[in-house]
Amino acid sequence: GAVVSQHPSRVICKSGTSVKIECRSLDFQATTMFWYRQFPKQSLMLMATSNEGSKATYEQGVEKDKFLINHASLTLSTLTVTSAHPEDSSFYICSARTGGKETQYFGPGTRLLVL
Amino acid sequence: QQQVKQSPQSLIVQKGGIPIINCAYENTAFDYFPWYQQFPGKGPALLIAIRPDVSEKKEGRFTISFNKSAKQFSLHIMDSQPGDSATYFCAASIRGNTGKLIFGQGTTLQVKP
Repeated sequence: GAVVSQHPSRVICKSGTSVKIECRSLDFQATTMFWYRQFPKQSLMLMATSNEGSKATYEQGVEKDKFLINHASLTLSTLTVTSAHPEDSSFYICSARTGGKETQYFGPGTRLLVL
Repeated sequence: QQQVKQSPQSLIVQKGGIPIINCAYENTAFDYFPWYQQFPGKGPALLIAIRPDVSEKKEGRFTISFNKSAKQFSLHIMDSQPGDSATYFCAASIRGNTGKLIFGQGTTLQVKP
């Protein structure tokens, strides 16, 4: 149980285009989802926290207009990177938890390369 | 005060050895401490987690030792195998809060055959 999927697993896009990444909880209801960014050989950096049906809460320094997060249902959250640039190239990982439980289950990640 | 400091940055052991990874924190409000294992190109997977009211927890070959007074906790991997070669992250969070995890810097473990 507690499986989180992400789609796509890899995406290459041109600079200036927008990219949408989906995060799904397959066998539980994710009341809270988190989006992280990870650069090579570095730790996970939390970008934002989203609760189902509410606006996302962004961490300091993360541009909310550039990284649009939608958590419209208890099983789906999306991250849209708008007007992507090469510096947005990274590994994006989502996680999800249910109710008041602390355990976060992570997705497999999405590798974004912006040319 | 929100930081979790993890050491060492990298670790090499022989098969069968017991690698130990250490983490330290300052915020005494932290009350949930998970460890995650991450293979290259994959998302982190939860290994084991502990709360501060317990000094030790064991699951299979993985053991967490927790020292509340020192504000430190560590991961021990018994009888390590080459398949354990991965990056390990400690983390901490505050119950009842947003559930936000504060991650350590990560430790890259290599287990030699």
